[in-house]
Amino acid sequence: QSVLTQPPSASGTPGQRVTISCSGSSSNIGSNSIKWYQHLPGTAPKLLIYSNNERPSGVPDRFSGSKSGASASLAISGLQSEDEADYYCEAWDDSLNGSVFGPGTKVTVL
Amino acid sequence: QLQLQESGSGLVKPSQTLSLSCTVSGGSFSSGGFSWSWIRQPPGKGLEWIGFIYQSGVTYYSPSLTSRVIISLDRSKDQLSLRLNSVTAADTAIYYCARVNLAKGRALDIWGQGTMVTVSS
Repeated sequence: QSVLTQPPSASGTPGQRVTISCSGSSSNIGSNSIKWYQHLPGTAPKLLIYSNNERPSGVPDRFSGSKSGASASLAISGLQSEDEADYYCEAWDDSLNGSVFGPGTKVTVL
Repeated sequence: QLQLQESGSGLVKPSQTLSLSCTVSGGSFSSGGFSWSWIRQPPGKGLEWIGFIYQSGVTYYSPSLTSRVIISLDRSKDQLSLRLNSVTAADTAIYYCARVNLAKGRALDIWGQGTMVTVSS
């Protein structure tokens, strides 16, 4: 059972905005930066967001991240069929002295 | 563009030791500003952080695995390694190596394609 909580699924139609939440505590999200990854089965996970809201080069600006207190969220605007994937949040946990992933959210494009 | 590739035994017997290697192309494990990590994904489950190693050799491990795992860097071979002993079926997973970008909040910014390891007699 992860110390980070994500909804198991989210969905939207093409062009819609989808938001995925990631809830933690003061020992992880509350005191460390959040990262978000996109994972399509059979492929390598891809970094989408680092340092809460920064995008690596090459990641479309349709993806955005935010953080408030011990919670964070990933927003996908202008949803596209290729966005159908699993999305994971990740943060360092000071109590565990290690990194933790959320359980993942499966995004479906209807 | 740096690329990572995992390799190792795809089938391990219960109670034995899982050994994996990660090789790099287009770069080096000795590059400054980065450390190196292992992550796994059991079938049908999410990503699980295993641990990472700094250039200095300092390691951090998942509390659930720390008694069984060793991550090391072999500079002569420019290779990252993972050893997990006393394996059980619960260790069956796709294992990934990844680069930890220290300037990006320790984000895992480059991943290998992963290698499947099955624990079975």
